[in-house]
Amino acid sequence: GAVVSQHPSRVICKSGTSVKIECRSLDFQATTMFWYRQFPKQSLMLMATSNEGSKATYEQGVEKDKFLINHASLTLSTLTVTSAHPEDSSFYICSARDSGQTYEQYFGPGTRLTVT
Amino acid sequence: AQKVTQAQTEISVVEKEDVTLDCVYETRDTTYYLFWYKQPPSGELVFLIRRNSFDEQNEISGRYSWNFQKSTSSFNFTITASQVVDSAVYFCALSGWNNNDMRFGAGTRLTVKP
Repeated sequence: GAVVSQHPSRVICKSGTSVKIECRSLDFQATTMFWYRQFPKQSLMLMATSNEGSKATYEQGVEKDKFLINHASLTLSTLTVTSAHPEDSSFYICSARDSGQTYEQYFGPGTRLTVT
Repeated sequence: AQKVTQAQTEISVVEKEDVTLDCVYETRDTTYYLFWYKQPPSGELVFLIRRNSFDEQNEISGRYSWNFQKSTSSFNFTITASQVVDSAVYFCALSGWNNNDMRFGAGTRLTVKP
């Protein structure tokens, strides 16, 4: 089956630093990838839609200058949390939508970010 | 706007009991997809089912079954003879025809006690 990986799985960083999270589709091409954020005991909230070769589309209330998204290839999207603060600590999950006819969306295992 | 409501925040049952998780959705689209995912403590989402809006047939997979009723905009999930390993958070989700813009319900935390 289709596999999506995320790296790193866990990261701890100091307040004010930037953190990059990678999302890769391992065995299919994805022109569209999605980034979600999940706070403890809450649901997944869509942050942004990442399109290969173009700018990402951000959901209302998500700061695009803080959460930089780059989708430079058909198998890789990156999310950079700039100047991270403790309130950015969360579980970040990406998904990749198969560019084929099925439009199936496959989720990565998530990245747990802790900002100290 | 698309919306998914899972009114049950937490459910606790004893092993071997049957349990139904409710999901009600709102959408103006005529073509859409409904999903159920399981999220164990590890955090990784486990895909359970995808249903398109034109397929109202109920589905059974082992101890799992799903009841899709467009008339009531519901897509309920039943676990028969629950087991401790079923303990997790279960999310119902809705997306448009091209599987964009997936919206999740708040989730239902299921605890199955031995």
